Amino acid sequence: DIVMTQTPLSLSVTPGQPASISCKSSQSLLHSVGKTFLYWYLQKPGQPPRLLMYEVSNRFSGVPDRFSGSGSGTDFTLKISRVEAEDVGIYYCMQAIQPPWTFGQGTKVEI
Amino acid sequence: EMQLVESGGGLVQPGGSLKLSCAASGFTFSDSVMHWVRQASGKGLEWVGRIRSKADNYATTYAASVKGRFTFSRDDSKNTAYLQMNSLKTEDTAVYYCTRPDYDLWGQGALVTVSS
Repeated sequence: DIVMTQTPLSLSVTPGQPASISCKSSQSLLHSVGKTFLYWYLQKPGQPPRLLMYEVSNRFSGVPDRFSGSGSGTDFTLKISRVEAEDVGIYYCMQAIQPPWTFGQGTKVEI
Repeated sequence: EMQLVESGGGLVQPGGSLKLSCAASGFTFSDSVMHWVRQASGKGLEWVGRIRSKADNYATTYAASVKGRFTFSRDDSKNTAYLQMNSLKTEDTAVYYCTRPDYDLWGQGALVTVSS
């Protein structure tokens, strides 16, 4: 199984300041079709996860442009350019290049 | 509006069985690959597996932790996916979500508690 490792596991942020979360995979997530199957989710208490980024750097519908994703191969980063209060929650990276799909441990972001 | 509504959660004793349903609406269910993800209280997300569409012969893939005990099925005429859980263990206690990941569509979650 592909192991997804996130750092840090918790992050205290100041509104208006940037924030960054790292995700490393134990194997390359670059598929032979040329796509990299790395996703970012945000989960708030009592809710299912919400997709933020797909295939590393594509913002899902409705996701604010303060969120950006980057990386390749096995190293990926989610950045928030200016954190807002609504951005609190737990962020997960996930790989979908091969089953079983696996998630990182989660990064709890607090204001 | 696209929607997934889960039902069937509850309390079951270790070794028992439970069947979850996931009713879909607002999209072409029969073409969809449906996944199941679970989350134990205070823990992270765990992919349980998926069932493909008729075009892919309803092929299923399971996480190692549930293989041989859980079974995915679907009834495209009812726009519903199912998760049959047998030989339940205390460590299967979790909220179970059905999801169509490519639409970022999730059910509200069904709580399954395995306890004596």
